[in-house]
Amino acid sequence: QSALTQPASVSGSPGQSITISCTGTSSDVGGYNYVSWYQQHPGKAPKLIIYEVTNRPSGVSNRFSGSKSGNTASLTISGLQAEDEADYYCSSYISSSTLVFGGGTKLTVL
Amino acid sequence: QVQLQQWGAGLLKPSETLSLTCAMFAESFSGYYWSWIRQPPGKGLEWIGEINHSGTTNSNSSLKSRLTISLDTSNTQFSLKLSSVTAADTAIYYCARGRGGFAFDVWGQGTTVRVSS
Repeated sequence: QSALTQPASVSGSPGQSITISCTGTSSDVGGYNYVSWYQQHPGKAPKLIIYEVTNRPSGVSNRFSGSKSGNTASLTISGLQAEDEADYYCSSYISSSTLVFGGGTKLTVL
Repeated sequence: QVQLQQWGAGLLKPSETLSLTCAMFAESFSGYYWSWIRQPPGKGLEWIGEINHSGTTNSNSSLKSRLTISLDTSNTQFSLKLSSVTAADTAIYYCARGRGGFAFDVWGQGTTVRVSS
């Protein structure tokens, strides 16, 4: 179960949009619409922000959106705010009822 | 509002068994999978395994031989046991509720476990 590939870091200025990619294979990201995204602030538990590729849980800002093309899923954050600075993780269902996470991306708001 | 509260020993010696428990408040076990996830210091998340209300478990193949996940429905608790720990098992361990498709929407507060001789 190799980890999904995410960029180690991304950055953007307040008000801008950024996109974080999550690349897997046809056995995980490309094979199922069960990609989730999590936001984790330092010292805190992760928070679910996107599930099933594009869906936002109740209470999550609509500035967060998800998409998928082939074996790559993406998280886009529009109108960047200072509080968006955090680590972001993707995850995907893989076969045999198991799960794999991405390596994580540190978002810096300049 | 569902809450998960977890506890367990925070310091272990190599070869000992890690044991953590997670209690769920204000919800039923039915309809969800209940997972354990860990995060080594300064590193990313790793899914450990899960159990559903009927006791069916799934687990990370890399940990399966050392792993036991069990359920206590009367006390709405589920537990993790990981045997023969080494320094590589040092991590923050989280319990979490999994909705459909392995999306974890409720998390415990995390328990720091350190393995050291």
